[in-house]
Amino acid sequence: GAVVSQHPSWVICKSGTSVKIECRSLDFQATTMFWYRQFPKQSLMLMATSNEGSKATYEQGVEKDKFLINHASLTLSTLTVTSAHPEDSSFYICSASMDRGVLYEQYFGPGTRLTVT
Amino acid sequence: SQQGEEDPQALSIQEGENATMNCSYKTSINNLQWYRQNSGRGLVHLILIRSNEREKHSGRLRVTLDTSKKSSSLLITASRAADTASYFCAEARNNRLAFGKGNQVVVIP
Repeated sequence: GAVVSQHPSWVICKSGTSVKIECRSLDFQATTMFWYRQFPKQSLMLMATSNEGSKATYEQGVEKDKFLINHASLTLSTLTVTSAHPEDSSFYICSASMDRGVLYEQYFGPGTRLTVT
Repeated sequence: SQQGEEDPQALSIQEGENATMNCSYKTSINNLQWYRQNSGRGLVHLILIRSNEREKHSGRLRVTLDTSKKSSSLLITASRAADTASYFCAEARNNRLAFGKGNQVVVIP
């Protein structure tokens, strides 16, 4: 149980285009979903937190107009990288939690490798 | 945001040996969690230790927490080649996780 999927697993796009990444909780309803970014050999950096039906909360320094997050249902959240540039190339990981209040466990997706050429 | 810091960052050991990683954090936490990440993959939750706990075991894993020193350690006993991965600690605060820099562990068969 507690499986999170991401689609696509990897994507290559041209500079200036937009890319959408989906995150789904397959066998549970997630009260909260999180989006992280990870550069090679580095840690995960939290980009934003999203709750179903409400606007995402972005971390300081993350451009909300560039990284659009939609949390349409309790099982689906999407991250759209708009007008992508090579510096947006990274590994994007989502996670989902069933917790409210104190966070005890997040279930992570397998990640999406984005390469912008 | 403040994040935990692991030490050492890279560790290479022989199969069967124990591996120990440390993590420090800077503020009060609800709990501290350890995750494993295989290369190019998502994270797998290993173990969670609450702020009022001092030690916890799960199979070959042992985690300790010292809130007075704001530090935690992860011990993997009798390591296996399959334990080769990056290990991250994460502080749970304000309904989010703040990840440390991670430890790269290589277990040589």
